[in-house]
Amino acid sequence: AAGVIQSPRHLIKEKRETATLKCYPIPRHDTVYWYQQGPGQDPQFLISFYEKMQSDKGSIPDRFSAQQFSDYHSELNMSSLELGDSALYFCASSQTSGRASEQFFGPGTRLTVL
Amino acid sequence: QKEVEQDPGPLSVPEGAIVSLNCTYSNSAFQYFMWYRQYSRKGPELLMYTYSSGNKEDGRFTAQVDKSSKYISLFIRDSQPSDSATYLCAMSAENTGFQKLVFGTGTRLLVSP
Repeated sequence: AAGVIQSPRHLIKEKRETATLKCYPIPRHDTVYWYQQGPGQDPQFLISFYEKMQSDKGSIPDRFSAQQFSDYHSELNMSSLELGDSALYFCASSQTSGRASEQFFGPGTRLTVL
Repeated sequence: QKEVEQDPGPLSVPEGAIVSLNCTYSNSAFQYFMWYRQYSRKGPELLMYTYSSGNKEDGRFTAQVDKSSKYISLFIRDSQPSDSATYLCAMSAENTGFQKLVFGTGTRLLVSP
């Protein structure tokens, strides 16, 4: 079965640089979610999109922005990177017509900020 | 205090043992409860999904939800070395449109042959 695709899988950036993470949801899934997981931490909800509109917002820094495109893929843009942004970034997707809160996660993008 | 509490472990058991993993929570608005399995450096994999109180069984896995006690459990029967992973509980509430999952910190399980 098709899964959530994230790219790149690994990313190394310097402080103050920018990064763009991409997420391709499972086919026919219309909602995407972004989570940040620091070392030894639980995933923290950042933001979600349904039908290209932001549907919920969590603890996402103002330096970060995200959007969902017409093909339902999503991009997380991160600017002025800080050392503390080093983490695993997960994208998850779900189908609105499916079971509530049933989110399927991608393999993650490991961001390292030097 | 975190909304969802989970013992980080590690929990070490011999192969074939019955494993019990638990989470407590403070937000009575949580209605959907999930268990995810996460292998090192991989994405969380949905294992069990339950709504409100009750039990749900799927193969070697049984999920229990006790909303009156704000307590959920995951039981693994006949544990295997391949079950060694971190198990995360997650839950959601209607006031966030069930969009935002709130996770526990995860329990690391080690099953030895």
